[in-house]
Amino acid sequence: ETGVTQSPTHLIKTRGQQVTLRCSSQSGHNTVSWYQQALGQGPQFIFQYYREEENGRGNFPPRFSGLQFPNYSSELNVNALELDDSALYLCASSPDRGDTQYFGPGTRLTVL
Amino acid sequence: GIQVEQSPPDLILQEGANSTLRCNFSDSVNNLQWFHQNPWGQLINLFYIPSGTKQNGRLSATTVATERYSLLYISSSQTTDSGVYFCAGIKTSYDKVIFGPGTSLSVIP
Repeated sequence: ETGVTQSPTHLIKTRGQQVTLRCSSQSGHNTVSWYQQALGQGPQFIFQYYREEENGRGNFPPRFSGLQFPNYSSELNVNALELDDSALYLCASSPDRGDTQYFGPGTRLTVL
Repeated sequence: GIQVEQSPPDLILQEGANSTLRCNFSDSVNNLQWFHQNPWGQLINLFYIPSGTKQNGRLSATTVATERYSLLYISSSQTTDSGVYFCAGIKTSYDKVIFGPGTSLSVIP
């Protein structure tokens, strides 16, 4: 148990739709990061939020966006879904930037 | 950006055997973590080890920061150790975290 939760567990969408994934961080953790993990690969960094501001971003297009809220929850939004967006999406919280990251169980997104 | 290599890519062990997994970084990192991803996709923290040696039960890890590599030792392996082991590094608190491609471990009875 890492104390990090994600919802929903599984999700099926069609190409072109929009999706919102949610994460609840450990209490007191002011940093949350989101990752995309395609089948058979390591997680790829999407972006990180620190105190509700974007703190860094990986090589993902602007249709991937996020929000972090004061109550330790956060969202990952993906617009105009593509087939290649099918993956496991993981969020991780940490006490501060650069600290140990604690991962949630992930949301498995399938785009048809 | 930082490149991360892990070896071996795949490993099959008999229960009770020992193993060493390696992680190489192309540049120095300030933060290095080892994770175990179980068959259900959950990433479990094993070690936060920017340098030095740490032990936790049957697992231990050593990071030689000056030579940009880290080793994960698994002793007396059990079937529950099966899964994928990832190392991940970050250069500064403002840089993105880079995961290696992972080592897939299967422990057979």
